[in-house]
Amino acid sequence: DIQMTQSPSAMSASVGDRVTITCRASQGISNYLAWFQQKPGKVPKRLIYASSSLQSGVPSRFSGSGSGTEFTLTISSLQPEDFATYYCLQHNSYPYTFGQGTKLEIK
Amino acid sequence: QVQLVQSGAEVKKPGASVKVSCKASGYTFTSYGISWVRQAPGQGLEWMGWISAYNGNTNYAQKLQGRVTMTTDTSTSTAYMELRSLRSDDTAVYYCVRYGPGGVAAFDYWGQGTLVTVSS
Repeated sequence: DIQMTQSPSAMSASVGDRVTITCRASQGISNYLAWFQQKPGKVPKRLIYASSSLQSGVPSRFSGSGSGTEFTLTISSLQPEDFATYYCLQHNSYPYTFGQGTKLEIK
Repeated sequence: QVQLVQSGAEVKKPGASVKVSCKASGYTFTSYGISWVRQAPGQGLEWMGWISAYNGNTNYAQKLQGRVTMTTDTSTSTAYMELRSLRSDDTAVYYCVRYGPGGVAAFDYWGQGTLVTVSS
């Protein structure tokens, strides 16, 4: 199975900060990597697909990059509504696997 | 617009079975697959498996093999996930998610979630 190691597991940041979250795959997954945002009690929402493609309707402050085994999600300028938990997901090979999540809290 | 509407919350006793439905609309059902993802209280997301709505092919997470069955009914554009021999650690919100080949339609639309509580 491909392990997805997401870091950090939690972080605090301020409105306006630039934030980067990393996912590392235990083996190459090409660009079959998606990022999701989940707020408490809500359904996960896809932000990024194919490693770097922005989901329609998602603000451009969100961006994704990477290929192979190293991937990043960047929020260029945090807004109050961005405080949530973020997950990466590899769907290159079965079983598909999620990262353990990054909880982004207000500093 | 694409919608996935799931069945309502369930409370089950240990050892029982549960079957969750997911009715799709707004797209050609047989052109995509459905993945099932669950989330235990306060925990992360766990991929359970996938079914092709085109031909019924499935792939299940190893830890659920033998207890889970995913099916589809193309006449009603509905996917089903049945989990048997329920245990307390199966208590979770269960989501159905649309899955298409490549990246564009991978996990793009989610159902609203179905809470399954396993308790004696």
